[in-house]
Amino acid sequence: GENVGLHLPTLSVQEGDNSIINCAYSNSASDYFIWYKQESGKGPQFIIDIRSNMDKRQGQRVTVLLNKTVKHLSLQIAATQPGDSAVYFCAEIAGRRALTFGSGTRLQVQP
Amino acid sequence: EPEVTQTPSHQVTQMGQEVILRCVPISNHLYFYWYRQILGQKVEFLVSFYNNEISEKSEIFDDQFSVERPDGSNFTLKIRSTKLEDSAMYFCASGGSLENEQYFGPGTRLTVT
Repeated sequence: GENVGLHLPTLSVQEGDNSIINCAYSNSASDYFIWYKQESGKGPQFIIDIRSNMDKRQGQRVTVLLNKTVKHLSLQIAATQPGDSAVYFCAEIAGRRALTFGSGTRLQVQP
Repeated sequence: EPEVTQTPSHQVTQMGQEVILRCVPISNHLYFYWYRQILGQKVEFLVSFYNNEISEKSEIFDDQFSVERPDGSNFTLKIRSTKLEDSAMYFCASGGSLENEQYFGPGTRLTVT
């Protein structure tokens, strides 16, 4: 797939465990932070987003935490399933609509 | 569920040739985007399009690139004279009125030989 060769940090977890994927960002003016999931051979798929004036947002099995003090974003996946195996990207929007993507983390879920 | 579609899934072309990558955005969306992902690198923004004109573009989007919405459903990216370094996955995305809303297509893999 398109992420072959990309030297991604890899997180390996057991099925049923919780996963935490981290991202550092640099632009303190970003308005939105978004997590995308990319499976092999597919385009990025929206998971969850958070506005810059929030510090936590929960979705179905996922939680995003934003720490603006240290410019850190995390994605927590509860009860990780084999179908969660993918590359996860954080992305940010600052003022305009162009997404700036981070470099990604590969999540491997062991059955 | 509506989705963004892209054709072809894989395009092989010779250096110097023109290519047109096609996208059908989600039907009620107003904003359209192209991104690319070179093998081993991050997803990079190329251009956004709204109200029949480019609203933002990156430094990658030089004079060799152009976009068009030729009818009410298609959104195209043209590369006039392809270079080896244009080889990448090209993703189209579309969004509604919310600035954080962008839905991606499956991508077109462009291989320039």
